Amino acid sequence: QITLKESGPTLVKPTQTLTLTCTFSGHSLSTPGVGVGWIRQPPGKALEWLALIYWNDDEHYSPSLRNRLTITKDTSKSQVFLTMTTVDPVDTATYYCAHIHYDILSAFYFFDYWGQGILVTVSS
Amino acid sequence: DIQMTQSPSSLSASVGDRVTITCRASQSIKTYVNWYQQRPGKAPRLLIFAASTLMHGVPSRFSGSGSGTDFTLTISNLQPEDFATYYCQQSFGTPLTFAGGTNVEI
Repeated sequence: QITLKESGPTLVKPTQTLTLTCTFSGHSLSTPGVGVGWIRQPPGKALEWLALIYWNDDEHYSPSLRNRLTITKDTSKSQVFLTMTTVDPVDTATYYCAHIHYDILSAFYFFDYWGQGILVTVSS
Repeated sequence: DIQMTQSPSSLSASVGDRVTITCRASQSIKTYVNWYQQRPGKAPRLLIFAASTLMHGVPSRFSGSGSGTDFTLTISNLQPEDFATYYCQQSFGTPLTFAGGTNVEI
């Protein structure tokens, strides 16, 4: 069974750097076809994809946040990290990490397992 | 970026109803669309991937169809636990994009 859990600060001051950790079990990020993505959801709003990383170290970012985001992984610890610099109150949201199933043959991929989310508030 | 637009943004229905939600992409995405359900206060849950393939464990009253730019999610025989917000998402290319969601309420 694949499970994921987000951790990190729940209150961050404007201009600070936010680092979130996704700890997962039930899969390995060294397995072909596996990835982890980060998605956020401001209160009462829709989902917004932020970044993802694959088993082969391929990384992708939302262009609107590319210069503020870094996604990394520690395969041995089954963890993926998301760093966001210069946070602003508009970054207040629930941040989710999710397991990606990537079908190498068809190129279909989707978020099939999600963490419970962590609400991060940006406020002075 | 590929824009995803859902309609309606909200709808009212009753238990036992058949509900259809539409998702439109700003360009052809073949069948690279996924559907998620999100109950209040919970994480999203994958229902359907590749436009029409049901995720394991998802009841068969959920179905998806479409290709190109127009897609639908249908819930037949609506159950109390189906009252939630539904999102479509394209995986044709990055940036991955979600639509604004459809809130299905009683």
